[in-house]
Amino acid sequence: EDQVTQSPEALRLQEGESSSLNCSYTVSGLRGLFWYRQDPGKGPEFLFTLYSAGEEKEKERLKATLTKKESFLHITAPKPEDSATYLCAVQQGGSEKLVFGKGTKLTVNP
Amino acid sequence: GAGVSQSPSNKVTEKGKDVELRCDPISGHTALYWYRQRLGQGLEFLIYFQGNSAPDKSGLPSDRFSAERTGESVSTLTIQRTQQEDSAVYLCASSHGTRQGTQYFGPGTRLTVL
Repeated sequence: EDQVTQSPEALRLQEGESSSLNCSYTVSGLRGLFWYRQDPGKGPEFLFTLYSAGEEKEKERLKATLTKKESFLHITAPKPEDSATYLCAVQQGGSEKLVFGKGTKLTVNP
Repeated sequence: GAGVSQSPSNKVTEKGKDVELRCDPISGHTALYWYRQRLGQGLEFLIYFQGNSAPDKSGLPSDRFSAERTGESVSTLTIQRTQQEDSAVYLCASSHGTRQGTQYFGPGTRLTVL
């Protein structure tokens, strides 16, 4: 059974304090790994898709990386507006559904 | 362009009542998905539509849950005889038929069963 574990559950940072969020996964035949951002009361907002180990993608202060067992979301010099819950999901080859982790709640204090 | 829309945004119902939740996907997206997000839990897959057929219904938790889709547009998720454990946010997503990996989500419907 596909599993996704995100750590830490919650993370508090000071503005400008860089850090990383972890997503460990077990899946038979990874089709894609997805990162989403979710603000309170809203639906998940798509950030990145990674397809193979070694792949990296960047968007503003965020950079996502992928290995065969885990993905990291690196946040460089975060700002308060980066505060949100970050969700990781995997998609198995031959399946259309996403399997999500429980998310990491990030709080960036000014 | 317009994103995925869902209605109602909030629904409060009494135990035992039936509810219908609606999803309007992004125009041109042939694939549509329903997920459930319970408090403190990750999103759980419910059902996937390709056009108006549902190749994967494996996530529907019981026969009280059903969904249908009209062509490549609106979908309705129906929960019959609601129970308190059905309380959750129900999220709909859609994706383009040729790039089904990227799912774009709506704002969700928060269902509260009293």
